[in-house]
Amino acid sequence: GENVEQHPSTLSVQEGDSAVIKCTYSDSASNYFPWYKQELGKRPQLIIDIRSNVGEKKDQRIAVTLNKTAKHFSLHITETQPEDSAVYFCAAPRTDSWGKLQFGAGTQVVVTP
Amino acid sequence: GAVVSQHPSWVICKSGTSVKIECRSLDFQATTMFWYRQFPKQSLMLMATSNEGSKATYEQGVEKDKFLINHASLTLSTLTVTSAHPEDSSFYICSANRLAGGQNIQYFGAGTRLSVL
Repeated sequence: GENVEQHPSTLSVQEGDSAVIKCTYSDSASNYFPWYKQELGKRPQLIIDIRSNVGEKKDQRIAVTLNKTAKHFSLHITETQPEDSAVYFCAAPRTDSWGKLQFGAGTQVVVTP
Repeated sequence: GAVVSQHPSWVICKSGTSVKIECRSLDFQATTMFWYRQFPKQSLMLMATSNEGSKATYEQGVEKDKFLINHASLTLSTLTVTSAHPEDSSFYICSANRLAGGQNIQYFGAGTRLSVL
């Protein structure tokens, strides 16, 4: 089945700096990669996703890049703000069953003023 | 947007009792919903897939008689934790699949924090 590894597990950045989180996946047939943001005690919220037919997608301060050859995708947050502090999860489709996602272990991002 | 409502948000119960958690898709129909369990500072662990009109499918190691799932309509799935024990205390989150732009996207409920005394 699909194996998703996410790094780093924690990331501390100064406000205004950029943050980058990287995920690798194992199944070359995977074609959809969402990123979720989860604040403490809250629901995971989809913040951006990318399909395998594009290499990059941007939405204001966040962007996701995909390298299909190397089987990794990354979340980039620019001009970080304190409200960006949260746990971020990457995911990839599970190969054993339609619709299921395999989540990464998560990255705790702390933005310090 | 796609809104998923989960209720209750927090429940405390005595050991041996059963607890029902509801997951509703408010503005779309979901033939497939998922139930996750999340331990503190850990990732989302899929417990089972809830299929409208058919039996749920459970992940390996999840007791189907312990965690009963019913998906009686296109907008409602329920998870019942039967004979709850302290080790069942956890954060339970549901998600509902919605087709958007040709892609099935999971939208999450707000979660239910279960504390079993």
